[in-house]
Amino acid sequence: AQKITQTQPGMFVQEKEAVTLDCTYDTSDPSYGLFWYKQPSSGEMIFLIYQGSYDQQNATEGRYSLNFQKARKSANLVISASQLGDSAMYFCAMREGSGGTSYGKLTFGQGTILTVHP
Amino acid sequence: AAGVIQSPRHLIKEKRETATLKCYPIPRHDTVYWYQQGPGQDPQFLISFYEKMQSDKGSIPDRFSAQQFSDYHSELNMSSLELGDSALYFCASSLEGVVTEAFFGQGTRLTVV
Repeated sequence: AQKITQTQPGMFVQEKEAVTLDCTYDTSDPSYGLFWYKQPSSGEMIFLIYQGSYDQQNATEGRYSLNFQKARKSANLVISASQLGDSAMYFCAMREGSGGTSYGKLTFGQGTILTVHP
Repeated sequence: AAGVIQSPRHLIKEKRETATLKCYPIPRHDTVYWYQQGPGQDPQFLISFYEKMQSDKGSIPDRFSAQQFSDYHSELNMSSLELGDSALYFCASSLEGVVTEAFFGQGTRLTVV
C-alpha cells in the first residue's frame, strides 16, 4: 500500500493567491514525522516544513503552513501569497518510528507540480 | 550555514563502467542517507549509515555499495552501470535524535550512456 499519497499531479495558482497541496499518509506507527520538500527544475531538494505526530499545533514556516489532520491522516501544505519562484515540484514525505536503525529514512509521495501564473 | 555537499554534480558514464559518488554531511551530523530519483519519479531510499555503520538498507542493487568514513563523509560505489541507473542521486544528513530535520545535498545527476 502506498504510504504517502499526493493525488494532485499538477496544480495552478495565480500569483499572490494561496494554494493547498494535498498529502495523505498511511502508518500504524504512533510516532512519525511529516516533511514537505520543494524541488525546482534545478533538481535540488529544499526542506520546507516539518510536523511531528505528537505536535499539537500545525507547523508554520514563513509563507508555508501545514494543515495537519491526524484523524484523517492528512498533512496538506498551504502556501500563502504565492510567488513566481514557488513554481516547482513539491514532495510530501514521512519518517516512521521514534528510534532504532531504520528510523531516519523518508518515504516520499509522487509529488505535485505547482505552477504559479503571473 | 554549511549544507550537505555532494560531488560530482554531474557524471556521465558508459554502460558497464563504475562510478563513485561522494557526500559530505552537515558538520556534526552523524547519519547519512542515500536516495535515488529516476526521471519523473519520487526519491527512493537506498541505504543509510549511522556512526560509520550501515543502519538501514532499501532498494539498493547488489552492484552498489556504500560506506561512511571516519570523518562521516560517505561514498556510494556503483559498478557494472546500466542505462536504468541514470538518475539523480541524493545524499541527506541528520543528527541522531534530532527528528525535525533531514537536509539534502544538491544531488549528483548520473547519466549512463
